[in-house]
Amino acid sequence: DGGITQSPKYLFRKEGQNVTLSCEQNLNHDAMYWYRQDPGQGLRLIYYSQIVNDFQKGDIAEGYSVSREKKESFPLTVTSAQKNPTAFYLCASSTPRTGGKEKLFFGSGTQLSVL
Amino acid sequence: AQKVTQAQTEISVVEKEDVTLDCVYETRDTTYYLFWYKQPPSGELVFLIRRNSFDEQNEISGRYSWNFQKSTSSFNFTITASQVVDSAVYFCALSEPGIKAAGNKLTFGGGTRVLVKP
Repeated sequence: DGGITQSPKYLFRKEGQNVTLSCEQNLNHDAMYWYRQDPGQGLRLIYYSQIVNDFQKGDIAEGYSVSREKKESFPLTVTSAQKNPTAFYLCASSTPRTGGKEKLFFGSGTQLSVL
Repeated sequence: AQKVTQAQTEISVVEKEDVTLDCVYETRDTTYYLFWYKQPPSGELVFLIRRNSFDEQNEISGRYSWNFQKSTSSFNFTITASQVVDSAVYFCALSEPGIKAAGNKLTFGGGTRVLVKP
């Protein structure tokens, strides 16, 4: 079945540590996105990529980094510079932009907590 | 700047009652898309409906219906005869049109948690 796979489901970070969240899709979508969800709040965009080897900062990119070396993969690294990393992270993908109408397909998320 | 407001943080109903979720948005654009997504306890968001700013025809799909009113910048969502499986968090979202390279960035509301009790 086509879809988006995020791993791990739960992740713990120690002080000063970088951690990487995995996102893989087999939907053949060009565009991929990372969103952060805090309790009781909506989703906020961290980074997005419209094509391989290219990505753009979203609204809250500070303390995060991404890469897009393959079409199907868009890993997110939460660096030690992110002082409040505890949140639920959602990866999404879509077909290329044609006026904003594309629906997003989401993974099941990774819950990141700080030890 | 764009903004989406879902004033209801949580709604609790008994099974078979109707539930209406409110969504109010702000945008300077004349062309845009509005979405509703459902987030069940498993975590992933699931697309429910999309409406463009030129289509104010309201729609019914099974137990779901939508009321889009451009004059009041509202895009409300109703579940008729709710069921326990409808328990989830529902998000309203607004697209950001404009520059082609900007990506399909969505502005999400804060979400409304719906709890349907048996």
